[in-house]
Amino acid sequence: GAVVSQHPSWVICKSGTSVKIECRSLDFQATTMFWYRQFPKQSLMLMATSNEGSKATYEQGVEKDKFLINHASLTLSTLTVTSAHPEDSSFYICSASQQGVSYEQYFGPGTRLTVT
Amino acid sequence: AQKVTQAQTEISVVEKEDVTLDCVYETRDTTYYLFWYKQPPSGELVFLIRRNSFDEQNEISGRYSWNFQKSTSSFNFTITASQVVDSAVYFCALGPGNQGGKLIFGQGTELSVKP
Repeated sequence: GAVVSQHPSWVICKSGTSVKIECRSLDFQATTMFWYRQFPKQSLMLMATSNEGSKATYEQGVEKDKFLINHASLTLSTLTVTSAHPEDSSFYICSASQQGVSYEQYFGPGTRLTVT
Repeated sequence: AQKVTQAQTEISVVEKEDVTLDCVYETRDTTYYLFWYKQPPSGELVFLIRRNSFDEQNEISGRYSWNFQKSTSSFNFTITASQVVDSAVYFCALGPGNQGGKLIFGQGTELSVKP
């Protein structure tokens, strides 16, 4: 099956710093990638959808200047949390789908971000 | 509005019991997809099943079975003879057919199977 990786799997950063999370599709071309956030004991909430080569579409209430998403290639999308604060501590999960198969979404293992 | 409701927040059973996790969805789309995912403590989502709106056949996969009923907008998941390894959070999700693949997740049901 299709494999999606995320790096790092966990990261601790200090308040005010920025952190970048990578999402890679290892054996397929991901025309669309999705970024989700999950707080403890809660569900996954979609943050944004990115299509290769174009700007990401953010969900209502998600600050696009704080959560920078880049989908520069068909196998890599990055999420940068800028000026992180403790309330940004969460589990970030990406998923990817291929062109024309939008209902088939492959999830990465997630990245646990802790901001101190 | 698109919505998924998993009314059961937590379920606790004893090993070998059967357990059903409920999922009710709302959508006005005629074409859509329904999913179930398992999220063990490690956090990684494990895909269990995908169903499209035109396929109402129930499905069985080992100890797992799914009952899809469009008339009641439900897509329930049953685990037969539960095992401790089934302990996890289970999410039902709706993929609207015209939304470019974005998924709407239910709140999840935390299943605890005790030995």
